Amino acid sequence: GENVEQHPSTLSVQEGDSAVIKCTYSDSASNYFPWYKQELGKGPQLIIDIRSNVGEKKDQRIAVTLNKTAKHFSLHITETQPEDSAVYFCAARGLRDSSYKLIFGSGTRLLVRP
Amino acid sequence: NAGVTQTPKFQVLKTGQSMTLQCAQDMNHNSMYWYRQDPGMGLRLIYYSASEGTTDKGEVPNGYNVSRLNKREFSLRLESAAPSQTSVYFCASRTGTSGDYEQYFGPGTRLTVT
Repeated sequence: GENVEQHPSTLSVQEGDSAVIKCTYSDSASNYFPWYKQELGKGPQLIIDIRSNVGEKKDQRIAVTLNKTAKHFSLHITETQPEDSAVYFCAARGLRDSSYKLIFGSGTRLLVRP
Repeated sequence: NAGVTQTPKFQVLKTGQSMTLQCAQDMNHNSMYWYRQDPGMGLRLIYYSASEGTTDKGEVPNGYNVSRLNKREFSLRLESAAPSQTSVYFCASRTGTSGDYEQYFGPGTRLTVT
């Protein structure tokens, strides 16, 4: 079935450094790739997304890149700050039907050390 | 505008007991979703409702039932709880407009079955 793999499962960086999280997906027809941030005790919140007709998207310190040929996409956070510490999930929109279901990766716990 | 709300926030059940998790959204969204989140497994879709009056199974529907009570409310019922259903449950909603993929998540219900 459809699958999204996410790496690494944990990531520790020094404040000010960059962080990169990578995901691969199995369904070549997938066309929407969101990234969610989940803070402790809260629900996931969308931070950035990209569609299959775009290769890169930026929003201030965060960016997402998409390589459709290789079926992978990545989240880049620059100039990391302690408040970036959270669990990040990637997802891909499955296209088996028209239900707009999302298939999620297993999550990356990011720790930004002050 | 509260977004997506869920009740209760925490619940402890004994094996075999039943309960209903409540979810409501005030964004006039058509589509609603129930996920469970387990350590190292990301979010997995249990059931969804593409629009009022319709419900469909997701990846892991066994042991659960849902009701789309009206456009605002989507409940998840555990008829006979099992320890394997210990998890954090998230409700989400989406506008339902074609091409609008973003899902908005509630704060979650942490359920423990002993």
